[in-house]
Amino acid sequence: AQKITQTQPGMFVQEKEAVTLDCTYDTSDQSYGLFWYKQPSSGEMIFLIYQGSYDEQNATEGRYSLNFQKARKSANLVISASQLGDSAMYFCAMREGNTGGFKTIFGAGTRLFVKA
Amino acid sequence: NAGVTQTPKFRILKIGQSMTLQCAQDMNHNYMYWYRQDPGMGLKLIYYSVGAGITDKGEVPNGYNVSRSTTEDFPLRLELAAPSQTSVYFCASSPSPGQGKLDEKLFFGSGTQLSVL
Repeated sequence: AQKITQTQPGMFVQEKEAVTLDCTYDTSDQSYGLFWYKQPSSGEMIFLIYQGSYDEQNATEGRYSLNFQKARKSANLVISASQLGDSAMYFCAMREGNTGGFKTIFGAGTRLFVKA
Repeated sequence: NAGVTQTPKFRILKIGQSMTLQCAQDMNHNYMYWYRQDPGMGLKLIYYSVGAGITDKGEVPNGYNVSRSTTEDFPLRLELAAPSQTSVYFCASSPSPGQGKLDEKLFFGSGTQLSVL
């Protein structure tokens, strides 16, 4: 069955350092999309970055990059130069392909704490 | 452009009561979703719809019903509320996959905090 796994319930990082949030996925589709969303304490969901299954280069958006390793089915989020405002929940998500009805499912999330 | 609008924002129900959570989007998106988020947890898909008249179960559909009579609206119905349904409910929408691309992100509503006591 298609699923998303985030094995780090919580992570700490020092301000200005880089941090990697892990995500692995399982799908039988050849075509799928991978996303990361941020949820601050206010509760809103904020889109961060997208990676397509056929994209050969890793996606980057400002301080966010996605380390995509297709053979290992992993899509880790790297945040460079962490800021206090990065403290939040981070969710990995996958939009499934035709087999999965093109629906989007989420992982359990990782809570990131940025220390001053 | 309002995006995805959810009502109400907060609601307290007694066990056994029924209610409908409303969701509307004005972006002409075909795909709409209902997720629930328990405290400190991830989002679980309840139901989703790929267009008017078409709905399908997600990961945790028991205790809920949906309908999609128009492209804009996707209400979620709780028939017999139970304490286990205490959660934050998010409605979201997205465009259909275009030409095999799946890069369309979700647009979220602001959520409904539901407590069943």
